[in-house]
Amino acid sequence: EAGVTQSPTHLIKTRGQQATLRCSPISGHTSVYWYQQALGLGLQFLLWYDEGEERNRGNFPPRFSGRQFPNYSSELNVNALELEDSALYLCASSFWTGGFQPQHFGDGTRLSIL
Amino acid sequence: KQEVTQIPAALSVPEGENLVLNCSFTDSAIYNLQWFRQDPGKGLTSLLLIQSSQREQTSGRLNASLDKSSGRSTLYIAASQPGDSATYLCAVNAAAGTALIFGKGTTLSVSS
Repeated sequence: EAGVTQSPTHLIKTRGQQATLRCSPISGHTSVYWYQQALGLGLQFLLWYDEGEERNRGNFPPRFSGRQFPNYSSELNVNALELEDSALYLCASSFWTGGFQPQHFGDGTRLSIL
Repeated sequence: KQEVTQIPAALSVPEGENLVLNCSFTDSAIYNLQWFRQDPGKGLTSLLLIQSSQREQTSGRLNASLDKSSGRSTLYIAASQPGDSATYLCAVNAAAGTALIFGKGTTLSVSS
């Protein structure tokens, strides 16, 4: 069974540009979560999508947005990039069983802002 | 607001030692708690998940306990090996399907 896959592995942008990060969940998983791991700040929740709908978002500005496609894959878009957006962006997927629901993570996209 | 704290931030031990990593959370109303391992520059690997109704979970040399009332969890690693060197993260769910709230992790170094 393929795990959560993220692309690209690395992304280099300059201030003010826009970045698009992609995530493919484990087959059968309908929920996708995005997290940011910036140096010294730990992992912080960004966005949660389930069945194509945004269910929740963390304390991030509106220039962080995304969407989930009918095949449950997801995109994270970051507009007007700032230096502090440099981080490892992790995607996780899970599925609703009415109970036990571990999140499985991809290897991330490292976004560097020059 | 839920906050998760992990102590110590870093730990160095010789191979073969048994060790305990600590995690505390401020709001006891959690749905479950997960322990993850992260290797440098990599994503997270789920180690153990404890549901709120459980007291502990075991996988191989790993044992995780949960005391909801006191807001604490411990990860016990038996007979540590150099391959255990990594950052260990603790995370809690407030409700099923919601985002995980992470601690900042304990970076473990096991020397041979």
